[in-house]
Amino acid sequence: QVQLQESGPGLVKPSQTLSLTCTVSGGSISSGSYYWSWIRQPAGKGLEWIGRIYTSGSTNYNPSLKSRVTISVDTSKNQFSLKLSSVTAADTAVYYCARDLGSGGSCCPFDPWGQGTLVTVSS
Amino acid sequence: SYELTQPPSVSVSPGQTARITCSGDALPKQYAYWYQQKPGQAPVLVIYKDSERPSGIPERFSGSSSGTTVTLTISGVQAEDEADYYCQSADSSGTHVVFGGGTKLTVL
Repeated sequence: QVQLQESGPGLVKPSQTLSLTCTVSGGSISSGSYYWSWIRQPAGKGLEWIGRIYTSGSTNYNPSLKSRVTISVDTSKNQFSLKLSSVTAADTAVYYCARDLGSGGSCCPFDPWGQGTLVTVSS
Repeated sequence: SYELTQPPSVSVSPGQTARITCSGDALPKQYAYWYQQKPGQAPVLVIYKDSERPSGIPERFSGSSSGTTVTLTISGVQAEDEADYYCQSADSSGTHVVFGGGTKLTVL
């Protein structure tokens, strides 16, 4: 079955760009009509959707983060990536990637999820 | 921006029924989904399309919808059900995903 794994630096300095990659295994990222999403969760707080990318490359972003977020896909590597610019301590969180099983322009559910990776923003 | 509203906490005794609500203006147009999250773990889908249960999820988990409110019901709550529960849906356009703030279920 499809599995997702996040990877990237666990520590990022303030004002720099956070970069994470999600590697999809057990299936092709291009097969099926799926979106691929990023979600984050600060310690002790709730889930926040960051954005998603369709296999065609079209994207949707959380309006509150849109100015700082870029999500891209590399089908040759079966990966999709997140870049979040101008980070502050408020961006410290566990970052998850997930497959969005939604269709017809709508969303959800998210399944499966990656295990999550903690990114700390600190100098 | 669009929001989904959940109660911060719900407490029940073992064997009782827990009901967790989620309210949002677009819920009459968009399906809701529910996730269970235990400490240190990724969320797990427990209800999809308002009331459908994925394979492997116990029958005590059910979902319902009425107008702008959806409800996750856990009948015969067990100690292992203690977790955070999140509703999820999309805005009326379907292009932006949103999560509720989460509800901590405590089994007394």
